[in-house]
Amino acid sequence: DIVMTQIPLSLSVTPGQPASISCKSSQSLLHSDGRTYLYWYLQKPGQSPQLLMYEVSNRFSGVPNRFSGSGSGTDFTLKVSRVEAEDVGVYYCMQSVQLPKTFGQGTKVEIK
Amino acid sequence: QVQLAESGGALVRPGGSLRLSCAASGFTFRDFYMSWIRQSPGKGLEWISYINSDGRAISYADSVKGRFTISRDNTKNSLYLQMNSLRAEDTAVYYCVRGRSYWGQGTLVTVSS
Repeated sequence: DIVMTQIPLSLSVTPGQPASISCKSSQSLLHSDGRTYLYWYLQKPGQSPQLLMYEVSNRFSGVPNRFSGSGSGTDFTLKVSRVEAEDVGVYYCMQSVQLPKTFGQGTKVEIK
Repeated sequence: QVQLAESGGALVRPGGSLRLSCAASGFTFRDFYMSWIRQSPGKGLEWISYINSDGRAISYADSVKGRFTISRDNTKNSLYLQMNSLRAEDTAVYYCVRGRSYWGQGTLVTVSS
């Protein structure tokens, strides 16, 4: 199975400041079809996870442009340019290049 | 809008069985593959099963293989998870997920004596 490792596991951010989360996979997430199957989800308190980014750098419908994703191969990063109060929760990266799909441990983001 | 509504979660004894359902609406159900993903209390996310759009391709996580069965009824816009030989470690919120995008609100399964 592909192991997904997130750093840091928790983050306390002042509103308006940037935040960055790293996700590393134990194998390349580049598929033979040329696409890289790395996704980012946010689970807000008391809610189910919601998709933020798909295939590394594509924002899902309705996701604010303060969120951006980058990376390739085995190293990926989610950045929030200016954190807002509504961004609190646990962020997960997920790979789906092969089954079983696997998730990172989660990064808990709180507001200072 | 896309809606996924899980049901069927309950308190069940170890060794027992349970059937989860997921009612889909707001999209053409038969066009999408579906998955079940679970989250143990206070823990992370675990993918457990996948079924393709016509139900002919299925996959399971090793942790549930041989005990859980995923199925779908495209005429009823519904996804199912039959759970047998339940164990304490199966205790979790079970989510129905469309593709990689939309998640339901989840249903809680508690396995305890």
